[in-house]
Amino acid sequence: EVQVVESGGGLVMSGGSLRLSCAVSGLTFSDAWMSWVRQAPGKGLEWVGRMKSKGGGGTIDYAAPVKGRFTISREDSKNTLYLQMNSLKTEDTAVYYCIHILHDGSGYYYGGTWGQGTLVTVSS
Amino acid sequence: DIQMTQSPSTLSASVGDRVTITCRASQSITNSLAWYQHKPGKAPKLLIYKASSLRSGVPSRFGGSGSGTEFTLTISSLQPDDFATYYCQQYKSYSWTFGQGTKVEIK
Repeated sequence: EVQVVESGGGLVMSGGSLRLSCAVSGLTFSDAWMSWVRQAPGKGLEWVGRMKSKGGGGTIDYAAPVKGRFTISREDSKNTLYLQMNSLKTEDTAVYYCIHILHDGSGYYYGGTWGQGTLVTVSS
Repeated sequence: DIQMTQSPSTLSASVGDRVTITCRASQSITNSLAWYQHKPGKAPKLLIYKASSLRSGVPSRFGGSGSGTEFTLTISSLQPDDFATYYCQQYKSYSWTFGQGTKVEIK
């Protein structure tokens, strides 16, 4: 069974930085494509970005609101995905979810197993 | 970005009711649509992918249908464990977008 566990959330001042971690078990992590999605208080789900496996090209894609400020990386030897968040804004306040991406057999990729999320609060 | 619109935003129903949630895409996504169930403080749970494929282990009372721009999630007989918020998600584009959610409440 795939398990995904996020950590690293907390309270940070506007303009500050935070690094989230996502520990994954139950699969060959080096083959896994992973994504981050966030949910601001009282709002819907917003895609943040994704990272392909190294074998899949290792491509990283970001949503426009975070591009240039957030960086997704991975450490396959530790079965861990990271989200480095810099120049944080109050509008980045959200629960951040880490997701194991699955392939639907038709060339498209969707969210499989999600973690419970970690709360990031950015204060002014 | 592909916009996803869900309706209704809130739904009041009783145990045993048949429940239908609708999701519309702003452009054709063929069948690249997933449905998730989310309970407060828990991890969102995948129910349906490829518009109508039931994830292994998900009860058969959940069903999905549709293609192109119109999709539905049906719960054939609502159970106490099903009271939650449901989201649709398009994955035709790698930049996923989600519906705003449908909260299923106890009537």
